[in-house]
Amino acid sequence: GEDVEQSLFLSVREGDSSVINCTYTDSSSTYLYWYKQEPGAGLQLLTYIFSNMDMKQDQRLTVLLNKKDKHLSLRIADTQTGDSAIYFCAESFQAAGNKLTFGGGTRVLVKP
Amino acid sequence: GAVVSQHPSRVICKSGTSVKIECRSLDFQATTMFWYRQFPKKSLMLMATSNEGSKATYEQGVEKDKFLINHASLTLSTLTVTSAHPEDSSFYICSAQDSWGGNGQFFGPGTRLTVL
Repeated sequence: GEDVEQSLFLSVREGDSSVINCTYTDSSSTYLYWYKQEPGAGLQLLTYIFSNMDMKQDQRLTVLLNKKDKHLSLRIADTQTGDSAIYFCAESFQAAGNKLTFGGGTRVLVKP
Repeated sequence: GAVVSQHPSRVICKSGTSVKIECRSLDFQATTMFWYRQFPKKSLMLMATSNEGSKATYEQGVEKDKFLINHASLTLSTLTVTSAHPEDSSFYICSAQDSWGGNGQFFGPGTRLTVL
């Protein structure tokens, strides 16, 4: 079955790096995603990685994928107060019509 | 690009009435749209997958007669909550996927439904 897990909360100081972790159980996923949700808003796609890649970097964001351990992480460099939000990892399965399975979300609080 | 809108953003209705929520992809054609429900401080729960021109596919436990979905065009899907009850109060979010699908789903801003 599909199961995606994340830690609930992360506190980080402004300017430091944040690392948000995610584990999943189904290794047949096609893509893995990171979404950001600010209070009362929808989800914003931050970045995604194809399941046969190990790493993807996009400006301040670095995604690492360890398929052997079924572990996905998102590193945010030089974290800013505007990065405070809930971050969801998700996996999709092309064979299932690209439906997304979400983790429970990690609430990131950036302290000045 | 890849903007998805939802209307209304917030609605309050009386118990027993029906509420329609619209989801539009503004700058791309969405062959597939998804409807989610999010409870406070919880993750998103997929309710149904909506494909243009065909019947929606509902997830287990979601009543299709209560949550009517229509995907009449490549840019519009609607969710109608029929005979709403207080327990239907929630944050409803739609997403749209382009024809390729690999870019992931683009989410609308959500609709906060409160049933009195």
